[in-house]
Amino acid sequence: DQQVKQNSPSLSVQEGRISILNCDYTNSMFDYFLWYKKYPAEGPTFLISISSIKDKNEDGRFTVFLNKSAKHLSLHIVPSQPGDSAVYFCAASGPTSGSRLTFGEGTQLTVNP
Amino acid sequence: DAGVIQSPRHEVTEMGQEVTLRCKPISGHDYLFWYRQTMMRGLELLIYFNNNVPIDDSGMPEDRFSAKMPNASFSTLKIQPSEPRDSAVYFCASSLSLTGISYNSPLHFGNGTRLTVT
Repeated sequence: DQQVKQNSPSLSVQEGRISILNCDYTNSMFDYFLWYKKYPAEGPTFLISISSIKDKNEDGRFTVFLNKSAKHLSLHIVPSQPGDSAVYFCAASGPTSGSRLTFGEGTQLTVNP
Repeated sequence: DAGVIQSPRHEVTEMGQEVTLRCKPISGHDYLFWYRQTMMRGLELLIYFNNNVPIDDSGMPEDRFSAKMPNASFSTLKIQPSEPRDSAVYFCASSLSLTGISYNSPLHFGNGTRLTVT
């Protein structure tokens, strides 16, 4: 049972435009959400997170939005840069998961110059 | 800080052979995690340790998989016998906290071992 789903395996955008990566979850007990970024031949690295008490968290060009009623979160990258091309993983945590991180399948973002 | 170190980077083996993946966590991190990445399921947690003790191995797919952490600086993931469906990228990660969700204590991943079983 995939509790965290990223339905888009890939996304392609032009440099300078906005990239929007989406993530849906099914476990209503999840209370913390994170995004990890992964370059080829490297491990994932932490990018940004949001607690369920917030609906938005911003860090430079990266903003994560959380819609608890829809069980949906999204990562916005503005403006997108070629160096942002990577696989992005959504992850969630909560008391019923033993506070372990549950990851989605990942979305490959390609930013074209 | 060298980060989490995994070896080998690539492993190609034949079905039925034993495979051993190795991991050295970041010094001082109390938690060590083994993940497997596949296209269909993304990053799956296989097992995690706290202070060298296995806490939850419910993600280990079968008895063919086993993991050990004999000391704070070394862990192994063993597959015996290996099967083609075990082909994936295996990641080791460590953190100061269980979830690694604190900004000051995120999960730190190694660069992974790409396993191919033919």
